[in-house]
Amino acid sequence: DTEVTQTPKHLVMGMTNKKSLKCEQHMGHRAMYWYKQKAKKPPELMFVYSYEKLSINESVPSRFSPECPNSSLLNLHLHALQPEDSALYLCASSQEGRTEAFFGQGTRLTVV
Amino acid sequence: SQQGEEDPQALSIQEGENATMNCSYKTSINNLQWYRQNSGRGLVHLILIRSNEREKHSGRLRVTLDTSKKSSSLLITASRAADTASYFCAPYPIQGAQKLVFGQGTRLTINP
Repeated sequence: DTEVTQTPKHLVMGMTNKKSLKCEQHMGHRAMYWYKQKAKKPPELMFVYSYEKLSINESVPSRFSPECPNSSLLNLHLHALQPEDSALYLCASSQEGRTEAFFGQGTRLTVV
Repeated sequence: SQQGEEDPQALSIQEGENATMNCSYKTSINNLQWYRQNSGRGLVHLILIRSNEREKHSGRLRVTLDTSKKSSSLLITASRAADTASYFCAPYPIQGAQKLVFGQGTRLTINP
Protein backbone atom coordinates (compact mmCIF):
# COMPACT_ATOMS: atom_id res chain seq x y z
CA ASP A 1 0.00 0.00 0.00
CA THR A 2 1.69 3.19 -1.18
CA GLU A 3 -1.17 5.60 -0.77
CA VAL A 4 -2.29 8.35 1.51
CA THR A 5 -6.06 8.19 1.72
CA GLN A 6 -8.14 11.19 2.67
CA THR A 7 -11.82 11.18 3.50
CA PRO A 8 -14.17 12.66 2.68
CA LYS A 9 -13.27 13.91 -0.79
CA HIS A 10 -15.76 16.75 -0.53
CA LEU A 11 -17.32 18.39 2.50
CA VAL A 12 -19.82 21.21 2.84
CA MET A 13 -20.34 22.50 6.34
CA GLY A 14 -22.06 25.39 8.04
CA MET A 15 -20.24 27.84 10.23
CA THR A 16 -21.75 26.31 13.37
CA ASN A 17 -20.98 22.70 12.45
CA LYS A 18 -18.29 20.42 13.80
CA LYS A 19 -16.68 18.07 11.33
CA SER A 20 -13.49 16.07 10.96
CA LEU A 21 -11.16 15.30 8.09
CA LYS A 22 -9.41 11.97 8.10
CA CYS A 23 -6.09 10.89 6.67
CA GLU A 24 -4.68 7.38 6.66
CA GLN A 25 -1.46 5.80 5.47
CA HIS A 26 -0.12 2.28 5.85
CA MET A 27 3.40 2.86 4.62
CA GLY A 28 4.91 3.00 8.10
CA HIS A 29 5.66 6.70 7.75
CA ARG A 30 6.28 8.44 11.05
CA ALA A 31 5.81 12.04 9.94
CA MET A 32 2.43 13.35 8.82
CA TYR A 33 1.37 16.78 7.67
CA TRP A 34 -1.68 18.94 7.04
CA TYR A 35 -1.59 21.56 4.32
CA LYS A 36 -4.24 24.07 3.25
CA GLN A 37 -4.46 25.22 -0.35
CA LYS A 38 -6.57 28.06 -1.68
CA ALA A 39 -7.37 28.31 -5.38
CA LYS A 40 -4.37 29.22 -7.54
CA LYS A 41 -2.10 29.34 -4.48
CA PRO A 42 0.57 26.96 -3.23
CA PRO A 43 -0.12 24.55 -0.37
CA GLU A 44 0.49 26.18 3.00
CA LEU A 45 1.77 24.06 5.84
CA MET A 46 -0.52 23.92 8.87
CA PHE A 47 0.74 21.14 11.16
CA VAL A 48 3.48 18.54 11.35
CA TYR A 49 3.30 15.41 13.45
CA SER A 50 6.42 13.40 14.15
CA TYR A 51 6.07 10.06 15.90
CA GLU A 52 2.48 10.95 16.77
CA LYS A 53 3.47 14.16 18.51
CA LEU A 54 2.75 17.63 17.24
CA SER A 55 6.09 19.13 16.25
CA ILE A 56 5.07 22.15 14.17
CA ASN A 57 2.00 24.36 14.38
CA GLU A 58 2.21 27.20 11.87
CA SER A 59 0.15 29.55 14.03
CA VAL A 60 -3.08 27.99 12.85
CA PRO A 61 -6.32 29.30 14.43
CA SER A 62 -7.72 27.11 17.20
CA ARG A 63 -10.84 26.35 15.16
CA PHE A 64 -8.57 23.79 13.47
CA SER A 65 -7.58 21.04 15.88
CA PRO A 66 -5.27 18.24 14.71
CA GLU A 67 -5.08 14.81 16.25
CA CYS A 68 -2.83 11.82 15.63
CA PRO A 69 -4.41 8.82 17.38
CA ASN A 70 -1.85 6.37 16.01
CA SER A 71 1.02 6.18 13.55
CA SER A 72 -1.30 5.51 10.60
CA LEU A 73 -4.03 8.02 11.21
CA LEU A 74 -4.24 11.80 11.24
CA ASN A 75 -7.38 13.79 11.86
CA LEU A 76 -8.22 17.45 11.50
CA HIS A 77 -11.15 18.54 13.64
CA LEU A 78 -13.03 21.59 12.45
CA HIS A 79 -15.46 23.80 14.30
CA ALA A 80 -16.80 27.32 13.95
CA LEU A 81 -15.11 27.75 10.59
CA GLN A 82 -15.47 30.81 8.42
CA PRO A 83 -16.23 30.95 4.69
CA GLU A 84 -12.62 32.00 4.05
CA ASP A 85 -11.53 28.61 5.41
CA SER A 86 -12.96 27.03 2.28
CA ALA A 87 -10.03 25.35 0.56
CA LEU A 88 -8.43 22.07 -0.44
CA TYR A 89 -6.97 20.37 2.62
CA LEU A 90 -4.08 18.08 1.87
CA CYS A 91 -2.55 15.43 4.04
CA ALA A 92 0.95 14.09 3.46
CA SER A 93 3.36 11.69 5.07
CA SER A 94 7.04 10.92 4.87
CA GLN A 95 9.28 8.05 5.83
CA GLU A 96 11.67 8.21 8.76
CA GLY A 97 14.97 9.68 7.62
CA ARG A 98 13.51 10.81 4.30
CA THR A 99 12.22 14.21 3.32
CA GLU A 100 10.06 13.41 0.30
CA ALA A 101 6.36 13.66 1.04
CA PHE A 102 3.54 11.49 -0.25
CA PHE A 103 0.31 13.42 -0.61
CA GLY A 104 -3.30 12.37 -0.49
CA GLN A 105 -5.83 13.64 -3.03
CA GLY A 106 -7.22 16.15 -0.59
CA THR A 107 -10.56 17.10 0.87
CA ARG A 108 -12.35 19.96 -0.86
CA LEU A 109 -13.98 21.90 2.00
CA THR A 110 -16.69 24.48 1.50
CA VAL A 111 -17.89 26.51 4.46
CA VAL A 112 -21.30 28.10 3.99
CA SER B 1 12.32 32.70 3.94
CA GLN B 2 12.47 29.03 3.20
CA GLN B 3 10.31 28.63 0.12
CA GLY B 4 11.56 28.68 -3.42
CA GLU B 5 10.41 31.09 -6.06
CA GLU B 6 9.48 29.53 -9.35
CA ASP B 7 9.85 31.27 -12.67
CA PRO B 8 7.98 31.70 -14.91
CA GLN B 9 4.63 31.78 -13.12
CA ALA B 10 2.94 30.43 -16.24
CA LEU B 11 4.24 28.68 -19.33
CA SER B 12 2.34 27.57 -22.41
CA ILE B 13 4.00 25.44 -25.08
CA GLN B 14 3.11 23.08 -27.89
CA GLU B 15 3.06 19.35 -27.38
CA GLY B 16 6.43 17.85 -28.18
CA GLU B 17 8.39 20.93 -27.14
CA ASN B 18 10.60 21.08 -24.10
CA ALA B 19 9.54 22.98 -20.98
CA THR B 20 11.97 24.60 -18.58
CA MET B 21 11.07 26.10 -15.25
CA ASN B 22 13.35 27.61 -12.67
CA CYS B 23 13.50 27.83 -8.91
CA SER B 24 15.49 30.23 -6.79
CA TYR B 25 15.87 29.99 -3.03
CA LYS B 26 17.63 31.77 -0.19
CA THR B 27 18.54 29.23 2.47
CA SER B 28 21.27 26.60 2.66
CA ILE B 29 19.71 23.35 1.62
CA ASN B 30 20.00 19.65 2.30
CA ASN B 31 18.12 18.89 -0.89
CA LEU B 32 15.64 20.40 -3.32
CA GLN B 33 12.52 18.64 -4.46
CA TRP B 34 10.13 19.12 -7.35
CA TYR B 35 6.44 18.26 -7.19
CA ARG B 36 3.63 18.23 -9.73
CA GLN B 37 0.00 19.00 -9.04
CA ASN B 38 -2.76 18.29 -11.50
CA SER B 39 -5.73 20.59 -11.14
CA GLY B 40 -7.46 20.20 -7.80
CA ARG B 41 -5.57 17.07 -6.82
CA GLY B 42 -2.76 16.11 -4.50
CA LEU B 43 0.90 16.80 -5.14
CA VAL B 44 3.10 14.12 -6.63
CA HIS B 45 6.79 13.97 -5.82
CA LEU B 46 8.81 14.04 -9.03
CA ILE B 47 12.46 14.18 -8.15
CA LEU B 48 14.86 15.04 -5.34
CA ILE B 49 18.34 16.43 -5.91
CA ARG B 50 20.81 16.57 -3.04
CA SER B 51 22.98 19.57 -2.34
CA ASN B 52 26.11 17.73 -3.51
CA GLU B 53 24.55 16.78 -6.85
CA ARG B 54 24.54 18.98 -9.92
CA GLU B 55 22.22 17.12 -12.25
CA LYS B 56 19.71 14.33 -12.02
CA HIS B 57 17.51 12.55 -14.55
CA SER B 58 14.27 10.66 -14.25
CA GLY B 59 12.62 9.61 -17.49
CA ARG B 60 11.82 12.80 -19.41
CA LEU B 61 12.76 14.97 -16.44
CA ARG B 62 16.12 16.59 -15.95
CA VAL B 63 16.88 18.64 -12.86
CA THR B 64 19.94 20.78 -12.30
CA LEU B 65 21.12 22.42 -9.11
CA ASP B 66 23.56 25.28 -8.68
CA THR B 67 24.10 25.85 -4.98
CA SER B 68 26.43 28.78 -5.60
CA LYS B 69 23.58 30.61 -7.32
CA LYS B 70 20.93 29.05 -5.10
CA SER B 71 18.94 27.96 -8.10
CA SER B 72 17.52 24.87 -9.73
CA SER B 73 15.84 24.12 -13.02
CA LEU B 74 13.42 21.44 -14.14
CA LEU B 75 13.41 20.44 -17.77
CA ILE B 76 10.62 18.33 -19.21
CA THR B 77 11.52 17.00 -22.63
CA ALA B 78 9.11 16.01 -25.39
CA SER B 79 6.13 17.40 -23.49
CA ARG B 80 2.73 15.71 -23.56
CA ALA B 81 -0.75 16.97 -22.84
CA ALA B 82 -0.66 14.98 -19.60
CA ASP B 83 2.21 17.17 -18.38
CA THR B 84 -0.25 20.05 -18.02
CA ALA B 85 -0.08 20.82 -14.31
CA SER B 86 1.41 23.14 -11.71
CA TYR B 87 5.00 22.47 -10.74
CA PHE B 88 6.41 23.40 -7.35
CA CYS B 89 9.92 23.36 -6.02
CA ALA B 90 10.60 22.80 -2.33
CA PRO B 91 14.07 23.56 -0.97
CA TYR B 92 14.67 21.47 2.14
CA PRO B 93 16.80 23.38 4.64
CA ILE B 94 19.90 22.15 6.43
CA GLN B 95 19.02 24.06 9.55
CA GLY B 96 15.89 25.36 11.15
CA ALA B 97 12.46 23.79 10.98
CA GLN B 98 12.53 20.61 8.95
CA LYS B 99 9.53 21.12 6.74
CA LEU B 100 8.50 21.38 3.10
CA VAL B 101 7.44 24.86 2.06
CA PHE B 102 6.23 25.53 -1.47
CA GLY B 103 6.60 28.59 -3.66
CA GLN B 104 3.93 29.95 -5.98
CA GLY B 105 4.68 27.34 -8.63
CA THR B 106 4.77 27.33 -12.40
CA ARG B 107 1.52 26.60 -14.23
CA LEU B 108 2.43 24.63 -17.32
CA THR B 109 -0.02 24.23 -20.19
CA ILE B 110 0.73 21.87 -23.04
CA ASN B 111 -1.26 22.67 -26.15
CA PRO B 112 -2.09 19.85 -28.56
